[in-house]
Amino acid sequence: DTEVTQTPKHLVMGMTNKKSLKCEQHMGHRAMYWYKQKAKKPPELMFVYSYEKLSINESVPSRFSPECPNSSLLNLHLHALQPEDSALYLCASSQDPGQGQSRYNEQFFGPGTRLTVL
Amino acid sequence: GQQVMQIPQYQHVQEGEDFTTYCNSSTTLSNIQWYKQRPGGHPVFLIQLVKSGEVKKQKRLTFQFGEAKKNSSLHITATQTTDVGTYFCAGRWVDGGTSYGKLTFGQGTILTVHP
Repeated sequence: DTEVTQTPKHLVMGMTNKKSLKCEQHMGHRAMYWYKQKAKKPPELMFVYSYEKLSINESVPSRFSPECPNSSLLNLHLHALQPEDSALYLCASSQDPGQGQSRYNEQFFGPGTRLTVL
Repeated sequence: GQQVMQIPQYQHVQEGEDFTTYCNSSTTLSNIQWYKQRPGGHPVFLIQLVKSGEVKKQKRLTFQFGEAKKNSSLHITATQTTDVGTYFCAGRWVDGGTSYGKLTFGQGTILTVHP
């Protein structure tokens, strides 16, 4: 199984709602990532989990709260979002989180959750 | 923060023409990866370049990493309509481990191929 799955595919929420995005991989990867992507822009890194521990938080507002319950699952909890948070949220995983010459840090992306905040 | 500059932003070609996109960093990269994102899709890994001066080929695609490891290019020979999409480079820098796992994407080149 070389797939990263994300649910839901689409999500519409109000600014006072609480919702969660889910991501799952069964490739045995030890690094998982959340990215935000606006239209015609590159993915922007939000969080990195390495061996189930949060290793990078790119100064993301606290209304986004990541969680890694186990090595296969990654959640992104959303609360009190703003309309400018509307975007495609991509989850990715890689076998190895490291930099350097490892071949094993290619990232496998899920299909994303298209989020609209009203 | 460290950035990768990618040009051009858009490229329109006739089917059969060649296409090249370029990425440049002001500081030495540890390695660089290339991804393709089809319209409505998600990024898909194409290749990783690690060594100075490295050249790798995948059928009609040729990837190069500069001698100084500050620039990279992707060249597609004889484009086809299936090549349509956005091509991103994504770089990593050597920094003592503080950005362990972090990829920084270039702005991307949106390729349109006219049949």
